[in-house]
Amino acid sequence: AQSVTQPDIHITVSEGASLELRCNYSYGATPYLFWYVQSPGQGLQLLLKYFSGDTLVQGIKGFEAEFKRSQSSFNLRKPSVHWSDAAEYFCAVGLTTDSWGKLQFGAGTQVVVTP
Amino acid sequence: GAVVSQHPSWVICKSGTSVKIECRSLDFQATTMFWYRQFPKQSLMLMATSNEGSKATYEQGVEKDKFLINHASLTLSTLTVTSAHPEDSSFYICSAPDEGGEAFFGQGTRLTVV
Repeated sequence: AQSVTQPDIHITVSEGASLELRCNYSYGATPYLFWYVQSPGQGLQLLLKYFSGDTLVQGIKGFEAEFKRSQSSFNLRKPSVHWSDAAEYFCAVGLTTDSWGKLQFGAGTQVVVTP
Repeated sequence: GAVVSQHPSWVICKSGTSVKIECRSLDFQATTMFWYRQFPKQSLMLMATSNEGSKATYEQGVEKDKFLINHASLTLSTLTVTSAHPEDSSFYICSAPDEGGEAFFGQGTRLTVV
């Protein structure tokens, strides 16, 4: 069965420091992978996605993620965090063999940014 | 990018009443839409797949008679929470995929049943 694991429930990082959020997936077919960000009480905003090609994906707001098939990982990174990056981050896998656009989400990682 | 509009943003209803939530794709057509539910500080859980012109497909454990889904057109899906109870209070979010497989999300609806 498919699954998405975000090992870190909560991460605290200082403003200006680097950030890495981990995501591991299990899916029988070629994965379509996504990272979304959610501010409190809001919908989801897509940060970046991986469908195929270059395994290092650039997204919005200075985020990037690297797909590593051998490790079944799709970790999200940002070199220098801003206070506005405090939010909930969700990794998701597209269940392409089921229904186009259907997603399974990880549990999420809450990012707190300190001054 | 594509825009998905969800309405209302928040609603408070009395226990036992029904509430309808709308999800519209504003600038593209969506034969399929998805409804998710999110409890506080938890992840999004898929409730059902809304299919234009046919019945919705519900995930295991989701009561189809309580959560009625109607995909009336290529741009509109509605979720009706029937006979709502306090335990139905949650954040409901819809999404619609474009032809490339990217899912666009609505703003979400905060439902509070009192």
